[in-house]
Amino acid sequence: EIVLTQSPATLSLSPGERATLSCRASQSVSNFVAWYQQKPDQAPRLLIYDASKRATGIPARFSGSGSGTDFTLTISSLEPEDFAVYYCQQRSNWPLTFGGGTKVEI
Amino acid sequence: EVQLLESGGGLVQPGGSLRLSCAASGFTFSTYAMSWVRQAPGKGLEWISILSHTGTNTYAADSVKGRFTISRDNAKNTLYLQMNSLRVEDTARYYCAKERVATVLGYYFDSWGQGAQVTVSS
Repeated sequence: EIVLTQSPATLSLSPGERATLSCRASQSVSNFVAWYQQKPDQAPRLLIYDASKRATGIPARFSGSGSGTDFTLTISSLEPEDFAVYYCQQRSNWPLTFGGGTKVEI
Repeated sequence: EVQLLESGGGLVQPGGSLRLSCAASGFTFSTYAMSWVRQAPGKGLEWISILSHTGTNTYAADSVKGRFTISRDNAKNTLYLQMNSLRVEDTARYYCAKERVATVLGYYFDSWGQGAQVTVSS
């Protein structure tokens, strides 16, 4: 099973600041990584797939990068609605796995 | 607009059974693989099972293999999860999720339901 390790666990930032979230895979997953955002009491929302492609309707301030084992989600300038938990997910191997999440808090 | 509505959750004793349903609308259900993903209270996401659009191919996480069975009825636009031999550690919110790309298995989830709460306790 591929283990995804996200860091940091919590990121404390202010609106307008840049957020950089990391996801590291226990083995290469090529570029088969997605990022999701989850707000309290809501279902997750797909932000990024194939490491760097924005999903439909996702603002340009969200960007993804990386390949192999190291991936990054960047939020260029935090909006108030961006404070949430973010998960990475790989589809390279079964079982599909998620990282443990990074909470972006004010 | 894609809509996924889970139902069938509730409180069940350890060793008991429950069947979740996910009613889909707003897209051609029969052309998309579907998954179940769960989230224990205060914890992260755990993918548990996937079923191809035709219903012929399926994968499951080791934690539920032999106990949970995913199925679908394309005529009714509904996905199911039959859960047997439930354990306390199966307590979670269970989400159904739609594949992003039609007719493929194991990509990403671009639409999610609001989830059904399953509590396993004596």
